[in-house]
Amino acid sequence: GESVGLHLPTLSVQEGDNSIINCAYSNSASDYFIWYKQESGKGPQFIIDIRSNMDKRQGQRVTVLLNKTVKHLSLQIAATQPGDSAVYFCAERRAAGNKLTFGGGTRVLVKP
Amino acid sequence: DADVTQTPRNRITKTGKRIMLECSQTKGHDRMYWYRQDPGLGLRLIYYSFDVKDINKGEISDGYSVSRQAQAKFSLSLESAIPNQTALYFCATSDTQQGAETQYFGPGTRLLVL
Repeated sequence: GESVGLHLPTLSVQEGDNSIINCAYSNSASDYFIWYKQESGKGPQFIIDIRSNMDKRQGQRVTVLLNKTVKHLSLQIAATQPGDSAVYFCAERRAAGNKLTFGGGTRVLVKP
Repeated sequence: DADVTQTPRNRITKTGKRIMLECSQTKGHDRMYWYRQDPGLGLRLIYYSFDVKDINKGEISDGYSVSRQAQAKFSLSLESAIPNQTALYFCATSDTQQGAETQYFGPGTRLLVL
């Protein structure tokens, strides 16, 4: 079936190191992908997005990579900070629709 | 002020009770969504609306109903609450004129059904 999933449920990272969060998707018709950050007690917050006609997009300290060949999406956070501790969700959108399908989330814990 | 607000933020109710969760937005977006979040399951879409009085079922609409009487408001009702509806509920909005792709979420409502 169609699904968006994550390889690692919890990622522990040393402060200052880079973080990589992975996401696998199975729907080859998806044309848009988005990463959200959810801090405790808050709603998901938009981080960065990427369209299927791109393979890389950079934001402030974050980079999203899309590999359509293996249906893989990743979020890279440079110089991880304590404020980056949160749950990160990937989501995909099928072409011609606007419903997002979310993965189960990865918790990132930043160690001082 | 928050662009997407939800009330109440926390609610405890009993099985069989009818409750309503409210969502308001000041972003001027035309599209609104209701999701529930359960541990380990991410966000699942309950209902969505593309305009006033437009209602569409999501993947888990059974046991829920919604109302969109104004562009800025989208309410979610549980007609007869049951314990497995205990969850965190999020409202979201998106804008057709901006491509409607990015959804912006409210702070959530934590619901406990006893």
